[in-house]
Amino acid sequence: DGGITQSPKYLFRKEGQNVTLSCEQNLNHDAMYWYRQDPGQGLRLIYYSQIVNDFQKGDIAEGYSVSREKKESFPLTVTSAQKNPTAFYLCASSMIAGSSYEQYFGPGTRLTVT
Amino acid sequence: GENVEQHPSTLSVQEGDSAVIKCTYSDSASNYFPWYKQELGKRPQLIIDIRSNVGEKKDQRIAVTLNKTAKHFSLHITETQPEDSAVYFCAASRDNNAGNMLTFGGGTRLMVKP
Repeated sequence: DGGITQSPKYLFRKEGQNVTLSCEQNLNHDAMYWYRQDPGQGLRLIYYSQIVNDFQKGDIAEGYSVSREKKESFPLTVTSAQKNPTAFYLCASSMIAGSSYEQYFGPGTRLTVT
Repeated sequence: GENVEQHPSTLSVQEGDSAVIKCTYSDSASNYFPWYKQELGKRPQLIIDIRSNVGEKKDQRIAVTLNKTAKHFSLHITETQPEDSAVYFCAASRDNNAGNMLTFGGGTRLMVKP
């Protein structure tokens, strides 16, 4: 299944709580990405990282935070500052040099905040 | 930044007919254009991609065409089958050694009626 995993598949939280979504890859990819997908919409970039201990904001970073302490792992924290956190979250990874720039996606985490 | 528009948002075809999905992009420096297929409840998967030094690329029943001057690219699916039913996303990026920052279109829900 592409060597990139996300957990859990479904997550329920109360409003006001921070929650961390896991993303792990064993593809030896340098770059990792977090996207948000809302019903009937495309994928919007939250954060990305090209190297360990470095990451950049995407188009919709407000209310989210990330860390990249290991090449294999790129967890996303949805903070209480995110005004509308209920969504489907997809993690992806890719090489950053070479002939292929394909992004491989994880299975996603569906977060529901009530 | 890059902006990608995708049309139509939904497309219904009869099995065996062809389907065409169109995308336009705004950044003339974009040079990598992948297409992803997302089946219901599953992760997006790359089905075909094209670089700006090529005008057309085919893979069995799937083809992508690119018009750099007009800044648009299209996905063509011939002899559609029910298993082609899914949401299709186009994307655009600048292909460089700093990574592969994709900007996605809003998606097209393709329904193939048997």
